[in-house]
Amino acid sequence: AQSVAQPEDQVNVAEGNPLTVKCTYSVSGNPYLFWYVQYPNRGLQFLLKYITGDNLVKGSYGFEAEFNKSQTSFHLKKPSALVSDSALYFCAVRDPHNFNKFYFGSGTKLNVKP
Amino acid sequence: EAQVTQNPRYLITVTGKKLTVTCSQNMNHEYMSWYRQDPGLGLRQIYYSMNVEVTDKGDVPEGYKVSRKEKRNFPLILESPSPNQTSLYFCASSFWKGGTPHEQYFGPGTRLTVT
Repeated sequence: AQSVAQPEDQVNVAEGNPLTVKCTYSVSGNPYLFWYVQYPNRGLQFLLKYITGDNLVKGSYGFEAEFNKSQTSFHLKKPSALVSDSALYFCAVRDPHNFNKFYFGSGTKLNVKP
Repeated sequence: EAQVTQNPRYLITVTGKKLTVTCSQNMNHEYMSWYRQDPGLGLRQIYYSMNVEVTDKGDVPEGYKVSRKEKRNFPLILESPSPNQTSLYFCASSFWKGGTPHEQYFGPGTRLTVT
């Protein structure tokens, strides 16, 4: 079965510091990975995706993610956190055997303090 | 404005009373999907649709039905809701390219409470 794990329920960082939100995946095939962000009382918004190619993927709002095949990870990063980055972040993977199915992690709440 | 809309946004109902949550997108997307979000579990896929009249089960389809009679609409039907279907529901849509859906656009969510 395909799955995604986000090992941290919550991440706290100070504004201006770098942030990392962790994601590991388990798929039987080539992974196709996404990061989404959810602000309070809103739907999810797409941040970035990894299909193939360069392991460092750049996305919206200054976020980037690093795909690491040997560690089966796809961590979300930002060099300098903003208070406005505080939100719930979800990692997701497409099923390599059924492209219409997607699996999401449990979410990580990012708190950026001034 | 490109968007996915859902109605209602909030719904409180009683066990066994049939209900429908509507979903509509204005982006001419082929792919649409329904998810439920529960604390600690993230989002779980209920049903998806690759195009008009083509639907299939996701990971948690029990107790739900869907239909796709028009490309823009993808309603979620709970024929006999039960308390364990109390959740936050999201509809999403995506364009189709290279034989697969890509990043999804999500609606604002429907918070359902079944008593």
